[in-house]
Amino acid sequence: SQQGEEDPQALSIQEGENATMNCSYKTSINNLQWYRQNSGRGLVHLILIRSNEREKHSGRLRVTLDTSKKSSSLLITASRAADTASYFCLTSSSGNTPLVFGKGTRLSVIA
Amino acid sequence: DAGVIQSPRHEVTEMGQEVTLRCKPISGHDYLFWYRQTMMRGLELLIYFNNNVPIDDSGMPEDRFSAKMPNASFSTLKIQPSEPRDSAVYFCASSLGPRNDKYFGPGTRLTVL
Repeated sequence: SQQGEEDPQALSIQEGENATMNCSYKTSINNLQWYRQNSGRGLVHLILIRSNEREKHSGRLRVTLDTSKKSSSLLITASRAADTASYFCLTSSSGNTPLVFGKGTRLSVIA
Repeated sequence: DAGVIQSPRHEVTEMGQEVTLRCKPISGHDYLFWYRQTMMRGLELLIYFNNNVPIDDSGMPEDRFSAKMPNASFSTLKIQPSEPRDSAVYFCASSLGPRNDKYFGPGTRLTVL
């Protein structure tokens, strides 16, 4: 099954700073998705990037994808305390292989 | 649409009891997923359905776990008998396709004493 691995496991920054999280995977993919989970809540889809895309933006989020290195990064600019959450990547490939999340990156934004 | 609905939100039960978790996916979504989340193991995919048919249940930990989807708007995850190590948050998610973005429910926090 596909599984993305997030890095670092935990990240603590000051409000206003940028936060960068990385995701590595092992096999070829169709797309890669990033999700956020606030404490005690379900996951919320943030952004999807397809294998033929290299960069995508959504508000303060910027996602890059390097298929040659099998890695993706999520950049949150001008972070806010409300960005404190766990962030997960999810990779999917062609076919109906099960879609498995990694362990996530716990981001703490300190006001 | 109200999003994915799960019930109950919290469940506390004693070891050996039967537990039934419920999920209503977003209307029109053909895929439904059950996940379990713990600190130790993270998010685990237990089973997923396509058009009410179970496609892959290899993530179901034991025979004590079973899941059904009798129609497009309802699914259950049952644990019988429950054990303390089943304590976790159980999430249901739905999507249009297997590679589309998933919509998660709020989860059911299960505590087995």
